[in-house]
Amino acid sequence: EVQLLESGGGLVQPGGSLRLSCAASAFTFSSYAMSWVRQAPGRGLEWVSAISGSGTITYYADSVKGRFTISRDNSKNTLYLQMNSLRAEDTALYYCAKVLRTTVTTRDAFDIWGQGTMVTVSS
Amino acid sequence: EIVLTQSPGTLSLSPGERATLSCRASQSVSSSYLAWYQQKPGQAPRLLIYGASSRATGIPDRFSGSGSGTDFTLSISRLEPEDFAVYFCQQYGSSPLAFGGGTKVEIK
Repeated sequence: EVQLLESGGGLVQPGGSLRLSCAASAFTFSSYAMSWVRQAPGRGLEWVSAISGSGTITYYADSVKGRFTISRDNSKNTLYLQMNSLRAEDTALYYCAKVLRTTVTTRDAFDIWGQGTMVTVSS
Repeated sequence: EIVLTQSPGTLSLSPGERATLSCRASQSVSSSYLAWYQQKPGQAPRLLIYGASSRATGIPDRFSGSGSGTDFTLSISRLEPEDFAVYFCQQYGSSPLAFGGGTKVEIK
C-alpha cells in the first residue's frame, strides 16, 4: 500500500528550529514531486513548499521563503522540511503529499497524503 | 497569485439530496488544473477530482466536477451519510499552488 509517514513535529519556542521527515513506501519515490501542506487548527489548507523528483527544483510559499528548506533523499525514500526562525503563525499540522503524475515537475493534484505531524510554536 | 473562493461556507442538506459546491478563481486556472478534496475530522484530505472533471481512483460516480476558466463546481448527486465532510478546491496550474477556504457539508 502506498504510504507516507511524517515525523519530527513538536513544541518549539518562537525563533527555534525543527526538521520534519516524511518516509515514503510502496512507490518509486524518485519519480514523483512532493510537497508539504499545512493546516492550522480549525483552518483550511495552505501549500508550503514543493520539490521535484530529482530534488533539483524547489518552490516555497512567500510566508516561509527564506526560513524553510525542502529537501529529499531518494536513496532513503524520505522527504524533509527544515524549519528555522519559527513563528507562532507556523503552528499547524504539517502534511507531506505526493503528486498524482510522474510527468510533472512540481505542480499537480495530490493523490496520497500522510496523516500529518503537529508543530506548535509557543513560549 | 490565484485566490480561490469557495461558496457557500456551509451547506445543510439531508441524505439523498444533491449538493452543489462552487469554487471561483481570481484569475483563469491554466488548463483546468483544478482539484477537489474531501476531508473528514481527524483525517488527511482525500483527492476526489483532478483536471476539473476527472474522478480519482476509487471515487464513486456520484461525485462529479465541472467548469473551466474561473468557475468550477463539485456536485454530489445523492448524499450518502459518509459524504458529510469539508470540501476544498485547489488550483495547480500556476505557482503558488492555492487552496480554497473550504465548504462544510453538514446534515440538516
